[in-house]
Amino acid sequence: AQSVTQPDIHITVSEGASLELRCNYSYGATPYLFWYVQSPGQGLQLLLKYFSGDTLVQGIKGFEAEFKRSQSSFNLRKPSVHWSDAAEYFCALLGTGGGNKLTFGTGTQLKVEL
Amino acid sequence: GAGVSQSPSNKVTEKGKDVELRCDPISGHTALYWYRQRLGQGLEFLIYFQGNSAPDKSGLPSDRFSAERTGESVSTLTIQRTQQEDSAVYLCASSLGPGEKLFFGSGTQLSVL
Repeated sequence: AQSVTQPDIHITVSEGASLELRCNYSYGATPYLFWYVQSPGQGLQLLLKYFSGDTLVQGIKGFEAEFKRSQSSFNLRKPSVHWSDAAEYFCALLGTGGGNKLTFGTGTQLKVEL
Repeated sequence: GAGVSQSPSNKVTEKGKDVELRCDPISGHTALYWYRQRLGQGLEFLIYFQGNSAPDKSGLPSDRFSAERTGESVSTLTIQRTQQEDSAVYLCASSLGPGEKLFFGSGTQLSVL
């Protein structure tokens, strides 16, 4: 079985501070991993994805994520948060075997204090 | 129900056939979204319902795709004359309202042969 865990339901940071959103997964091999953002009233937007190769992945809006196989983690980071980053963030895993099952974490709600 | 339910979980069909995918949102959730994810790609927004109206149909990829929602309950996504490029995981999500926390179903894996 595959699963994705986002241990932080809510996170509050000050504008300009650094951010790290945690994502842990369970899967029998190396999966495909994604981070999505959902802003209020909008659809999901893909921030970045990891398929293979370099374990540090750069995405849009200044976000990056690092795949750590030993820790089964794919944490999302941003050096300096902007007020417009306030949104809900989802980590997702796509199985690489047969079935192509897509599993989402439960999401982390980010609040940015001015 | 306890969560968003989608059926079937897997569907294999022949090219040219019609398919119907079902989503049962969490009771009381007025907002309902359909997404799809094709292999190796990010999530693609298809359509959004607020109640039984669809203010945003911009994501439907062609006129072969249509969706309906009965009140604030079940939604069906219909794909007519399926093509191989329709093969994907179709994901449904619901929320109490626009901008509220999303809850996802486990998806329907559609394979068009």
